[in-house]
Amino acid sequence: EPEVTQTPSHQVTQMGQEVILRCVPISNHLYFYWYRQILGQKVEFLVSFYNNEISEKSEIFDDQFSVERPDGSNFTLKIRSTKLEDSAMYFCASSDRQRGPYEQYFGPGTRLTVT
Amino acid sequence: GIQVEQSPPDLILQEGANSTLRCNFSDSVNNLQWFHQNPWGQLINLFYIPSGTKQNGRLSATTVATERYSLLYISSSQTTDSGVYFCAVAAFKAAGNKLTFGGGTRVLVKP
Repeated sequence: EPEVTQTPSHQVTQMGQEVILRCVPISNHLYFYWYRQILGQKVEFLVSFYNNEISEKSEIFDDQFSVERPDGSNFTLKIRSTKLEDSAMYFCASSDRQRGPYEQYFGPGTRLTVT
Repeated sequence: GIQVEQSPPDLILQEGANSTLRCNFSDSVNNLQWFHQNPWGQLINLFYIPSGTKQNGRLSATTVATERYSLLYISSSQTTDSGVYFCAVAAFKAAGNKLTFGGGTRVLVKP
């Protein structure tokens, strides 16, 4: 069964460093999402992406964040200068459509620890 | 934006017991999904159920979209059912169809 994959599974970085989280969505999906979950809290939407453009972003997704689809398979989330409060689990998701009934498929997550 | 409330927040069960988890939402939705978060933090997709009833083994779910709630049933619970269960919805009016998650129900199944 097709699945969304994410790398790395765990990343430790120092405050102020740039990090890139990588995702490979399901191959025929066209709509991509990033969510995050701070430890012990609910999962929060960050950004949705379609046709090489951001469809929607949350208040969390400020200028420190960016997303890119550098090739036909990868979807990346970049944090330019990490802060302690960026420590969280980051989930990538994809779906094959955006209107009408659809299902989002989630990857296993990348646990980011900022020290 | 849409509000999602899950109840109860915590649930302790004896192995073999049955339970019902509830998800209430404040607006019309075109997507509702139930997830189980395992001890490693992974979100396991249980059901995609914007309306109707589905069953998968010991788990089943029902969404009554007109009354804006969904129920997740766990029957004959096992210790491996422990974890946090999340309901997530996409509001019908949402531009990018983002999922809004509830606060979760933390389930502990004791042997």
